[in-house]
Amino acid sequence: NAGVTQTPKFQVLKTGQSMTLQCAQDMNHNSMYWYRQDPGMGLRLIYYSASEGTTDKGEVPNGYNVSRLNKREFSLRLESAAPSQTSVYFCASSESWTRSNQPQHFGDGTRLSIL
Amino acid sequence: AQTVTQSQPEMSVQEAETVTLSCTYDTSESDYYLFWYKQPPSRQMILVIRQEAYKQQNATENRFSVNFQKAAKSFSLKISDSQLGDAAMYFCAYRSALGGGADGLTFGKGTHLIIQP
Repeated sequence: NAGVTQTPKFQVLKTGQSMTLQCAQDMNHNSMYWYRQDPGMGLRLIYYSASEGTTDKGEVPNGYNVSRLNKREFSLRLESAAPSQTSVYFCASSESWTRSNQPQHFGDGTRLSIL
Repeated sequence: AQTVTQSQPEMSVQEAETVTLSCTYDTSESDYYLFWYKQPPSRQMILVIRQEAYKQQNATENRFSVNFQKAAKSFSLKISDSQLGDAAMYFCAYRSALGGGADGLTFGKGTHLIIQP
């Protein structure tokens, strides 16, 4: 059981390039999330998808777009990468929007560097 | 908006001893959930323990327990009999119960726990 799978694990981009981070979960979870983690900071929510077909902004959505492709997959796109978007990106999923006490399961993260 | 504060950027403890990591949060909500996550150097985010705000009893998971003080908005993590494998960043996190908790977690900045052999 793979859980939450993120690709790629590492990526270097030049300023202005675009990129899509992929995330897939095999736990039949309804809700999915994208976070970023910067040095000395906890994770901050970028976007989330409570269920298939819905997406909402989190704390730091500027410069990003998301797509909930189906129940399993939730992608994060940087249209024009900026150095301020250098970070480690985590995808997570949880069972259901109705069950808040259920933990979020995290992928292993993508380390993204923007030069 | 909710905030989570971890006032100890780094803690050090001798192997086999007990250590307590502090966490405070600010919210106007009465129903919510609190979590402690562990992040070892491998970068994985691993759930350590969770607490429902409506429960007065403190959660425990083997060597890990919490001291949840709802009125004080405090949620500390106690690790007993510390082991070398406990060395990691520890994050305290808050999740609202409003809207079914469809939104994400609010994290503190983390505490780096060092275990001295």
